[in-house]
Amino acid sequence: SQQGEEDPQALSIQEGENATMNCSYKTSINNLQWYRQNSGRGLVHLILIRSNEREKHSGRLRVTLDTSKKSSSLLITASRAADTASYFCATDSSGADGLTFGKGTHLIIQP
Amino acid sequence: SAVISQKPSRDICQRGTSLTIQCQVDSQVTMMFWYRQQPGQSLTLIATANQGSEATYESGFVIDKFPISRPNLTFSTLTVSNLSPEDSSIYLCSVGTVNSPLHFGNGTRLTVT
Repeated sequence: SQQGEEDPQALSIQEGENATMNCSYKTSINNLQWYRQNSGRGLVHLILIRSNEREKHSGRLRVTLDTSKKSSSLLITASRAADTASYFCATDSSGADGLTFGKGTHLIIQP
Repeated sequence: SAVISQKPSRDICQRGTSLTIQCQVDSQVTMMFWYRQQPGQSLTLIATANQGSEATYESGFVIDKFPISRPNLTFSTLTVSNLSPEDSSIYLCSVGTVNSPLHFGNGTRLTVT
């Protein structure tokens, strides 16, 4: 079963607005990562936040992690058309070598 | 960061045949992973390709259907055998560890007719 569950599944906003995506997971983690995927191509790593961190920034990206609620959020500020993509959270889960990915949020930025 | 070349980028195959996907990395890496992404879905880990030993498969995936080779630290192949339309997916290789960012190839889009 999927470790991460993103919501919303789809999000459409106007260019310049902020976009917020959420991710919930079920088991304890060492870190949580966010990835972007454009048009069914390979994933690009955006940001990694460790379990002992609460917030992390990278350019227009802001990620928060609440381990007590087993949830994370990804905020993209001042969105651009080029941000249109699918965004996935991924966690390391006990017993698995690879990451476990959530179902993703498909973000559409309207020009 | 590692550069990953994956090929073919896409293929259309007939039911009952097999497709072998190659993944070449520009540096030596310990762990290589194969993922499947079914249409409109998220990624599911198929297996971890281990150099010098058999791949480690996730629940629901078996070696007979998805044989994997890992002859050295820069190369791996995934074969999808006895194809059926349900195998139509994007297959992605990636390298890294769970404590660091994974780097992905551009994926192989497989359509089975």
